[in-house]
Amino acid sequence: GAVVSQHPSWVICKSGTSVKIECRSLDFQATTMFWYRQFPKQSLMLMATSNEGSKATYEQGVEKDKFLINHASLTLSTLTVTSAHPEDSSFYICSALLPAHGTEAFFGQGTRLTVV
Amino acid sequence: GEDVEQSLFLSVREGDSSVINCTYTDSSSTYLYWYKQEPGAGLQLLTYIFSNMDMKQDQRLTVLLNKKDKHLSLRIADTQTGDSAIYFCAAPGGGYQKVTFGTGTKLQVIP
Repeated sequence: GAVVSQHPSWVICKSGTSVKIECRSLDFQATTMFWYRQFPKQSLMLMATSNEGSKATYEQGVEKDKFLINHASLTLSTLTVTSAHPEDSSFYICSALLPAHGTEAFFGQGTRLTVV
Repeated sequence: GEDVEQSLFLSVREGDSSVINCTYTDSSSTYLYWYKQEPGAGLQLLTYIFSNMDMKQDQRLTVLLNKKDKHLSLRIADTQTGDSAIYFCAAPGGGYQKVTFGTGTKLQVIP
């Protein structure tokens, strides 16, 4: 099946610093990628839709200036958590739509962010 | 928007069948999905079912869809310890290409 790689798998950073998470589609081109956040014991929450070559579409309540998304190529989308705080600690997962497969999406392995 | 609900926990003995249930609210969903999340890993698409189907079988997995009640279930036959994971049902809803996930059901398989 299609492979989506997310990097890093886990990261610990100090409060106030910024962290960049990468999401790559390894064997296909993805014009649309999604970023999700998962709180402990809760489901995945869609944060934003990332479209190649255009601005991301953010869900209600997600701060676009805090969670910067860049989809500069057909195989790479990045999520930068700016000025991270402990409440940003979470599990972040990206997914990419496989072209010609309708709404079938493939997920990265996720990134565990811990802000101390 | 779409609301998807699941029970949080299920425990079964190895070799028994597991049934994980899910309810959703948006009747216009064209696909409904089941994903598996193993510890520390991302989501793996297990199977999906078109909304015009009542049942889909894929090896040990059987998906049942009751559109009238907006109820989806995943049956795992001959459950193995390797099936221990969190299972999410998901439904498109709330906008184009957006997917809403349930809270996930943690399946514990007892040897």
